[in-house]
Amino acid sequence: EAQVTQNPRYLITVTGKKLTVTCSQNMNHEYMSWYRQDPGLGLRQIYYSMNVEVTDKGDVPEGYKVSRKEKRNFPLILESPSPNQTSLYFCASSLRPPRRGTSTDTQYFGPGTRLTVL
Amino acid sequence: DAKTTQPNSMESNEEEPVHLPCNHSTISGTDYIHWYRQLPSQGPEYVIHGLTSNVNNRMASLAIAEDRKSSTLILHRATLRDAAVYYCILSRGSGNTGKLIFGQGTTLQVKP
Repeated sequence: EAQVTQNPRYLITVTGKKLTVTCSQNMNHEYMSWYRQDPGLGLRQIYYSMNVEVTDKGDVPEGYKVSRKEKRNFPLILESPSPNQTSLYFCASSLRPPRRGTSTDTQYFGPGTRLTVL
Repeated sequence: DAKTTQPNSMESNEEEPVHLPCNHSTISGTDYIHWYRQLPSQGPEYVIHGLTSNVNNRMASLAIAEDRKSSTLILHRATLRDAAVYYCILSRGSGNTGKLIFGQGTTLQVKP
């Protein structure tokens, strides 16, 4: 089954303790992206990746890191989490970057990771 | 960056058509218009997209104004399962950013 998976689905941690949220897709997609969702703010893009070893900042990259060593995986790293990073996080992927404007840029979203930083 | 404006919420009766508006007055000529929806406790899912012409698929129709400064997502017969937050999104057709710009979304309530 074609899907985007995220782990963990739920995580409670403390300020400053490094964590990684994994994202994996099995559709051989080039483009992957991370979003956070907060009440009243909708979804905001954190980082995106056009292909392996190609990443760039979205709208709210501060406090986050990403890597794209393999096509299928795009982990989100919080080196020193803070309470303002408490949020619902979504990973997404598409066959091609959205700029192409064809059906190949339809984005598939993961189920979400709810993170709480105390 | 071009942004979108949507009403915060709308209501519809079951089995009636729903027209969800989106304003994108600063859209550029190469921005595509995408609609996604987010059902409760789920990630967003793709609904439809277009550039200039109206588009139809099995889920919905997309009507794009001639000047492209607004668009309307049309659900022809709303069901209870269509209750969700609907996002109107612009994506770039040129350039190298790949950035998606989400609007605030419209929460659609469907009444039985």
